[in-house]
Amino acid sequence: GESVGLHLPTLSVQEGDNSIINCAYSNSASDYFIWYKQESGKGPQFIIDIRSNMDKRQGQRVTVLLNKTVKHLSLQIAATQPGDSAVYFCAENRGNAGGTSYGKLTFGQGTILTVHP
Amino acid sequence: KAGVTQTPRYLIKTRGQQVTLSCSPISGHRSVSWYQQTPGQGLQFLFEYFSETQRNKGNFPGRFSGRQFSNSRSEMNVSTLELGDSALYLCASSLGSSGSKDEQYFGPGTRLTVT
Repeated sequence: GESVGLHLPTLSVQEGDNSIINCAYSNSASDYFIWYKQESGKGPQFIIDIRSNMDKRQGQRVTVLLNKTVKHLSLQIAATQPGDSAVYFCAENRGNAGGTSYGKLTFGQGTILTVHP
Repeated sequence: KAGVTQTPRYLIKTRGQQVTLSCSPISGHRSVSWYQQTPGQGLQFLFEYFSETQRNKGNFPGRFSGRQFSNSRSEMNVSTLELGDSALYLCASSLGSSGSKDEQYFGPGTRLTVT
């Protein structure tokens, strides 16, 4: 079935490095994407979102890039810190598809980011 | 502004029993979505409620049900518990005013263990 998937299950970086987490999606009708961070014992924390009419969006230390041609999404974290260590999920919503899209996010499997001091 | 709260945080139940989980959304949010998170299946959508109406439902058996109250608080119920229902149950709230494209904010989850 259609799904959102991640290329790499784990990523280890040194403190201060930039991190890039990738995500592939298969449904060309997807038009809204969100990145979440989940720390152990906690619920997913909203990081940043992007809609399909954009190809780049920046937040504080984070940038999301969307390439609709190859159905690829990435999250860039600048100057990664130990506190960034967590599981990162991309999620997509298939937008204006009526009742089948309300409140429904489809999640990727997640990438474990480990930041070494 | 207080975040999404879920109660209880932890539950241990026996196979065959039923369980009710509660979710209080962020003030002003009218949409509540529920998800099940397991190591094997990841995060999977259960259902979504808006203004006391279920607008969307995932691919879960009828043993999983929910409801939403007039104050937007939501409950989900699982009847005839099975071992495979052991999971972290997460709820997320959003404004719900712009259809499906709202930022969803998650609660800490309820960890359900079925023995």
